Amino acid sequence: DAGVTQSPTHLIKTRGQQVTLRCSPKSGHDTVSWYQQALGQGPQFIFQYYEEEERQRGNFPDRFSGHQFPNYSSELNVNALLLGDSALYLCASEQGGSDQYFGPGTRLLVL
Amino acid sequence: RKEVEQDPGPFNVPEGATVAFNCTYSNSASQSFFWYRQDCRKEPKLLMSVYSSGNEDGRFTAQLNRASQYISLLIRDSKLSDSATYLCVVNPFSGGYNKLIFGAGTRLAVHP
Repeated sequence: DAGVTQSPTHLIKTRGQQVTLRCSPKSGHDTVSWYQQALGQGPQFIFQYYEEEERQRGNFPDRFSGHQFPNYSSELNVNALLLGDSALYLCASEQGGSDQYFGPGTRLLVL
Repeated sequence: RKEVEQDPGPFNVPEGATVAFNCTYSNSASQSFFWYRQDCRKEPKLLMSVYSSGNEDGRFTAQLNRASQYISLLIRDSKLSDSATYLCVVNPFSGGYNKLIFGAGTRLAVHP
């Protein structure tokens, strides 16, 4: 049973660029949440997708957007990258309010 | 004020020691509570859920005090493999949906 997978594992971008991160949920899960974890901090909730729509959102600017596909996989897009966007981006999946399972994350460095 | 606050750490303890972590949360309407463990450069993994009645899983004991909005984790007989960051997590379950609120984490280093 495959767990949550994310790609790429690492990414380097420069300020002003755009980035797309991808997540495939655990088999049987239909809800995907995205978190940002800056160095030395706990993960911060970005947003959650269910039935291909954003269901709830944390305190992140509109530069952060997402998408969920019919197969429940999801993308996180960040536009106009800032140095402060450097972080570990975590995807978590769940089914019907169950415990969330995290993927290994994508480590983004913005130069 | 942060929604979830934890002991800053780090905690450096010898093998076999007992160590306790504390955490407070600000949203009294929070519904569920957890401790997650995160190894260096890895994703957080659920260690245990926390209930008002207290719960134990081997060497780990978690306790919740809703009146004080306080959560604790006790690790007995520490092992080298317990070295990690421990994240206190609260789920306000607002709107009926999961949304995990993490503390900044407390780092534990167990030495021989």
